[in-house]
Amino acid sequence: ETGVTQSPTHLIKTRGQQVTLRCSSQSGHNTVSWYQQALGQGPQFIFQYYREEENGRGNFPPRFSGLQFPNYSSELNVNALELDDSALYLCAAAGYNEQFFGPGTRLTVL
Amino acid sequence: GQQVMQIPQYQHVQEGEDFTTYCNSSTTLSNIQWYKQRPGGHPVFLIQLVKSGEVKKQKRLTFQFGEAKKNSSLHITATQTTDVGTYFCAGATTSGTYKYIFGTGTRLKVLA
Repeated sequence: ETGVTQSPTHLIKTRGQQVTLRCSSQSGHNTVSWYQQALGQGPQFIFQYYREEENGRGNFPPRFSGLQFPNYSSELNVNALELDDSALYLCAAAGYNEQFFGPGTRLTVL
Repeated sequence: GQQVMQIPQYQHVQEGEDFTTYCNSSTTLSNIQWYKQRPGGHPVFLIQLVKSGEVKKQKRLTFQFGEAKKNSSLHITATQTTDVGTYFCAGATTSGTYKYIFGTGTRLKVLA
């Protein structure tokens, strides 16, 4: 067990809707990254948060936004959902030399 | 933009055979990590390599980081059915944010 939890496990939304995904780390790691993993592909880096500030961003549009809270839990918000947003969303808490991934949230956009 | 490619995309081996996956980055990496993802699961960290030419072993797994820090490999000796899954390399850029770019992955199937 990595100690990283994500909620919800599965989610179904329709195009145009907004979604919030959550991530928490039992160990209180101060750096968290979010990834999008489409079926059959590797995880794609969305962004990283360090001490509540965005600390790096991948090639994702502004409708993907995030928050990190003082307890180091984190949220990923996606506005104006598109069909291509259907994927497994993973958060990863960064340790000294490794990343601890949560089980992911499977998002389906209809 | 930076790309990390892995070959092969798929590999089927008989149990007991060896397996190797190769990872190539279009740019120099500050470090590289390897992950294993079982079907329906999430990536699980295996190892991190930092130094040029570094070689690390974990039981039947041998990891190498190239001299130019642009390529890496994972070799599994005498595969077992428990080795089934997709192996990803993830390279960190040198930007300081440690943004990890994942490779395309190699899906390993082990036939008993």
